[in-house]
Amino acid sequence: DAGITQSPRHKVTETGTPVTLRCHQTENHRYMYWYRQDPGHGLRLIHYSYGVKDTDKGEVSDGYSVSRSKTEDFLLTLESATSSQTSVYFCAISESDREDEAFFGQGTRLTVV
Amino acid sequence: DQQVKQNSPSLSVQEGRISILNCDYTNSMFDYFLWYKKYPAEGPTFLISISSIKDKNEDGRFTVFLNKSAKHLSLHIVPSQPGDSAVYFCAAIKGDDKIIFGKGTRLHILP
Repeated sequence: DAGITQSPRHKVTETGTPVTLRCHQTENHRYMYWYRQDPGHGLRLIHYSYGVKDTDKGEVSDGYSVSRSKTEDFLLTLESATSSQTSVYFCAISESDREDEAFFGQGTRLTVV
Repeated sequence: DQQVKQNSPSLSVQEGRISILNCDYTNSMFDYFLWYKKYPAEGPTFLISISSIKDKNEDGRFTVFLNKSAKHLSLHIVPSQPGDSAVYFCAAIKGDDKIIFGKGTRLHILP
């Protein structure tokens, strides 16, 4: 599965609570991405990283922050979860800056109640 | 404003027949198009791609056709098999920009 692990796989949390999703890779790839998938929207890029401590915003970054302190870990944090952030979150990794060559993790289903 | 549109949320096809999934785009500057396949509880996986300088790319049972004048691409699966039942995402890229995904089409292969 290209050495990507997302944790947790499922989470239910309450509105207003902070939530951190973790993406861990064993491929030593430089680029990592966080997407969300919602019915009627396909996949949308939240944030991405092009190296340790190097991150940038994607299409739907509001309400999310990320951190990359090590090559292998890319964390996505919802500072104060809202119901609109109920979604399936996918992490992806790629060796080059070609996003189309990325491999996806299995996803994290987050429900904010 | 959707730049990549998959207007059919779902499609049912008899096993052994041809499946045709369609995708329309609005940005004529897109130079690379992709199809991804996604099974439930799994991440999307890359299926096939096509550069804007081509009009057809074939890989086994999968063929992608690109009609630039119509801003339309399609994925043909022949013959369709039960394992092809999945959600298919069309996606497009312009230069170094990030990938733009369509909403997806759920394909059901009927026995």
